[in-house]
Amino acid sequence: DQQVKQNSPSLRVQEGRISILNCDYTNSMFDYFLWYKKYPAEGPTFLISISSIKDKNEDGRFTVFLNKSAKHLSLHIVPSQPGDSAVYFCAASGGSGNTGKLIFGQGTTLQVKP
Amino acid sequence: DTAVSQTPKYLVTQMGNDKSIKCEQNLGHDTMYWYKQDSKKFLKIMFSYNNKELIINETVPNRFSPKSPDKAHLNLHINSLELGDSAVYFCASTKGGRGGIGAKNIQYFGAGTRLSVL
Repeated sequence: DQQVKQNSPSLRVQEGRISILNCDYTNSMFDYFLWYKKYPAEGPTFLISISSIKDKNEDGRFTVFLNKSAKHLSLHIVPSQPGDSAVYFCAASGGSGNTGKLIFGQGTTLQVKP
Repeated sequence: DTAVSQTPKYLVTQMGNDKSIKCEQNLGHDTMYWYKQDSKKFLKIMFSYNNKELIINETVPNRFSPKSPDKAHLNLHINSLELGDSAVYFCASTKGGRGGIGAKNIQYFGAGTRLSVL
């Protein structure tokens, strides 16, 4: 039972354009959402997060939007750069008996073409 | 100076062997985790320790035994290795953990240990 889903396994975007990565979740008790970026042979690196009490969080070129009613969040990268090419994981935490564990989506591979 | 470090980075071994993976964090965090990334690239939680106390134990075979000598270290010992244990294992740490709220749930990951069981 996959509680966090990233339905697009890959995304290709031209340099300078906007990249939009999507994530859906099923557990309405999740109250904190995170995006991680992963390069090959490295561990996931924290990118940006959002609390369930907000609907938007921005950090430089990265913005995360949260739509609680739709149980959907998205990561916008603008403008996209070739160095952004990586696997992006969406993760969620919270719920009853919160132990702090993160539930990850399966990842979306972003390729930014020069 | 690496914040979360795992050793070894690569581990190739035969079925039936026993092996250990070590993890250390110098972030002063209270909680550490082990995740497994399988061939389908899913990252799944295995264990978590908060101040040397086990707080998460997902449905992992008891051949896997985590050990936390102190809050900066969380090692993973695997007995009688099987082919299906081949995966990348990631260690992570966080300031929060049980009951952690918001930014305290941000986890910092090591570079991973690629385990291949032949």
